[in-house]
Amino acid sequence: ETGVTQTPRHLVMGMTNKKSLKCEQHLGHNAMYWYKQSAKKPLELMFVYSLEERVENNSVPSRFSPECPNSSHLFLHLHTLQPEDSALYLCASSQTPGQGNSPLHFGNGTRLTVT
Amino acid sequence: GQQVMQIPQYQHVQEGEDFTTYCNSSTTLSNIQWYKQRPGGHPVFLIQLVKSGEVKKQKRLTFQFGEAKKNSSLHITATQTTDVGTYFCAVGGSYIPTFGRGTSLIVHP
Repeated sequence: ETGVTQTPRHLVMGMTNKKSLKCEQHLGHNAMYWYKQSAKKPLELMFVYSLEERVENNSVPSRFSPECPNSSHLFLHLHTLQPEDSALYLCASSQTPGQGNSPLHFGNGTRLTVT
Repeated sequence: GQQVMQIPQYQHVQEGEDFTTYCNSSTTLSNIQWYKQRPGGHPVFLIQLVKSGEVKKQKRLTFQFGEAKKNSSLHITATQTTDVGTYFCAVGGSYIPTFGRGTSLIVHP
């Protein structure tokens, strides 16, 4: 049972489609993250939000657009993706700074396939 | 951000054998976290080490933080098939951890 819920679990989209990934955390955390996990590659940090403000954007292409309307919800809007964007997209949450390196709590991820 | 090297990338063991994965950094770390990801699953936090020379145990898992706080290890005694998965270390000076590439453990019954 995870306190971080991601939907959908699986998504297949064409390169011209627009879709959104959704993440919701029920842990009372103040920071939320998007990670990309591809085969044979390490976990890649995409975006970090702390108290609903974006604090990290790791040179992610503009075809990925995050949105954090409140501290419990995080979205990743996708448009005109490329086949190499196919990966597992993981959402995570943690407490904000001031408490050391707070552990990340991950959702189950969305398995994205771009055709 | 801080970088960390994790070895080995893969490890095959027979059930009952021991397993160790290592994380190494060229800089002093404030702390290190360990995560486990089962096949088809998501990373799950295992433990955080903060103090120089710290050793923590969770049943058959032993976590160590080096005296210089530049390396760490995870040792599993007498592996079981339930230990299968990828083990990641994560480091960072802020609340944004950088993950190692992970060590995939394959246990043969």
